[in-house]
Amino acid sequence: GQQLNQSPQSMFIQEGEDVSMNCTSSSIFNTWLWYKQDPGEGPVLLIALYKAGELTSNGRLTAQFGITRKDSFLNISASIPSDVGIYFCAGWPPTSYDKVIFGPGTSLSVIP
Amino acid sequence: DAGVIQSPRHEVTEMGQEVTLRCKPISGHNSLFWYRQTMMRGLELLIYFNNNVPIDDSGMPEDRFSAKMPNASFSTLKIQPSEPRDSAVYFCASTQTGNTDTQYFGPGTRLTVL
Repeated sequence: GQQLNQSPQSMFIQEGEDVSMNCTSSSIFNTWLWYKQDPGEGPVLLIALYKAGELTSNGRLTAQFGITRKDSFLNISASIPSDVGIYFCAGWPPTSYDKVIFGPGTSLSVIP
Repeated sequence: DAGVIQSPRHEVTEMGQEVTLRCKPISGHNSLFWYRQTMMRGLELLIYFNNNVPIDDSGMPEDRFSAKMPNASFSTLKIQPSEPRDSAVYFCASTQTGNTDTQYFGPGTRLTVL
């Protein structure tokens, strides 16, 4: 079936640094989503992307829908300790209805 | 708005026992999803309902798992009999059809089967 790959698997960064992570697929997606999961909580939607090339920001977060429709990127600028968590990409392939596919996640640790 | 409500938050049981997880979606949402999260397999969609009807249960691991949605405000996920490999965090999420990007997740139920 369709799968998403995320890299890196984990990151340890200093507070104030910028962060980049990406998500790739072997097939195209119609929608890309980025979620963040805090420890002990459910995932929370950060950014949604709807068309190839789209670049969307949410505060210090910026995400892009890749031109090929097979990838997406999430950047976090000037990281702070509360950015700690697991970041999941997710997407809807063209053939599904309501059935989003999640990537394995990128674990982010911020060192104060 | 109370958000998606799940109970219990934690469940510890012995192998062979029946386990029932409960979910109350956000009022007005007509799609409900059950996910399982483990370190090895990440977030897996088990089953989802639209207007209380199961649409796709292909993610349900085996016959020991069953899910029901008797009305728009309540769903259960049952495991009978439970096994240690069922230990995971189970999430319920809901959304309003036509706004499929915004799935709202509950806090999850952490299940441990001894």
